[in-house]
Amino acid sequence: SQELEQSPQSLIVQEGKNLTINCTSSKTLYGLYWYKQKYGEGLIFLMMLQKGGEEKSHEKITAKLDEKKQQSSLHITASQPSHAGIYLCGAEKTSYDKVIFGPGTSLSVIP
Amino acid sequence: DTGVSQDPRHKITKRGQNVTFRCDPISEHNRLYWYRQTLGQGPEFLTYFQNEAQLEKSRLLSDRFSAERPKGSFSTLEIQRTEQGDSAMYLCASSPRGGARGTGEEVDYGYTFGSGTRLTVV
Repeated sequence: SQELEQSPQSLIVQEGKNLTINCTSSKTLYGLYWYKQKYGEGLIFLMMLQKGGEEKSHEKITAKLDEKKQQSSLHITASQPSHAGIYLCGAEKTSYDKVIFGPGTSLSVIP
Repeated sequence: DTGVSQDPRHKITKRGQNVTFRCDPISEHNRLYWYRQTLGQGPEFLTYFQNEAQLEKSRLLSDRFSAERPKGSFSTLEIQRTEQGDSAMYLCASSPRGGARGTGEEVDYGYTFGSGTRLTVV
């Protein structure tokens, strides 16, 4: 069973638009990961957040972790077709525990 | 070392047959994980190793599943008497885990995943 929820389940945006994907847990997390997956392929690591209130950016993607460490958001600025894929959040409940994953958010970017 | 390798990429088998998958992690990574992913779902944890020791196995994993990492390097995942419900993508990942985070012993860059083995049971 999934302990992490993601919203929306799927998203279709026009190229150039901004978008946000959310990941929510009912329990405080130790570490929060964001991955991207192309259909039929493995997962690509994007970012890891550990501290409450932490924010990290890589190119046009920004991820934030709330102060309670129960919710994270992934924001893409000026989306491009290359951003299309499935975005997965993953979380550890304790230090160096296994990562459990949310159900994913499917993103399509229309040129 | 170019990353995590999984073999085969695709496997089609008849119900009731046994199958074995192989994962070669990044050589300096001491932790190795197996996940299973079905269409439209996130990866589901199966088991993980630290070096050759299997530290945890999911309760969802039936006795038909077994994993080994005999020398702390590559790992194999075997499914006996396959069922149609076993059809999924099987993902392997590795990570350089060991010291306590925040002590400066290592920097966490997340798991490195392989491309997966897609199993179809007919």
